[in-house]
Amino acid sequence: NAGVTQNPKFQVLKTGQSMTLQCAQDMNHNSMYWYRQDPGMGLRLIYYSASEGTTDKGEVPNGYNVSRLNKREFSLRLESAAPSQTSVYFCASSESGTGGWSGELFFGEGSRLTVL
Amino acid sequence: SQKIEQNSEALNIQEGKTATLTCNYTNYSPAYLQWYRQDPGRGPVFLLLIRENEKEKRKERLKVTFDTTLKQSLFHITASQPADSATYLCALVTGADKLIFGTGTRLQVFP
Repeated sequence: NAGVTQNPKFQVLKTGQSMTLQCAQDMNHNSMYWYRQDPGMGLRLIYYSASEGTTDKGEVPNGYNVSRLNKREFSLRLESAAPSQTSVYFCASSESGTGGWSGELFFGEGSRLTVL
Repeated sequence: SQKIEQNSEALNIQEGKTATLTCNYTNYSPAYLQWYRQDPGRGPVFLLLIRENEKEKRKERLKVTFDTTLKQSLFHITASQPADSATYLCALVTGADKLIFGTGTRLQVFP
């Protein structure tokens, strides 16, 4: 059981370039998330998708777009990368967020992005 | 403003002792509080969840307390081992689909 898979694991971009981070989960979860993790800042929510066909902004959405392609896949796109977007990006998934949800997240291994 | 605070300084303890990590929060009324473990270069892994109406939760050598009056959770690892060395994150469930994380505390257990 692969759980949550992210690609690529590492990426170096130049300022202004675009790229898409891919995420897929095989646990039939309804909700999916993108977080970024920076030293001293902890994990911050960029975007999330409570169910297939819906997406919502999190704490730090500026400079990012997302697509919930289907129930399994949730991608994060940087249209014009900036050095401030240098970070480790984590995708996560969970069961439905409605009605008594306890919030346990299952994380991928992370994508390490450097923007020069 | 809403904050979740964990001790940013590393906690260094000797093998066999009990490690205690603290998570304090302000301006939240979480329904649940969770603890995750994160190893270097890996994603966080869920450990324990405690509900607002529970005072204490145990799982093997792990114990979590949740004081909604003090707005604090304590995370204990008894009989600690070098393999317990990692960063531990607390997280609050503040509403449907929303999970807010603290910055984490690094634990180092020495033989």
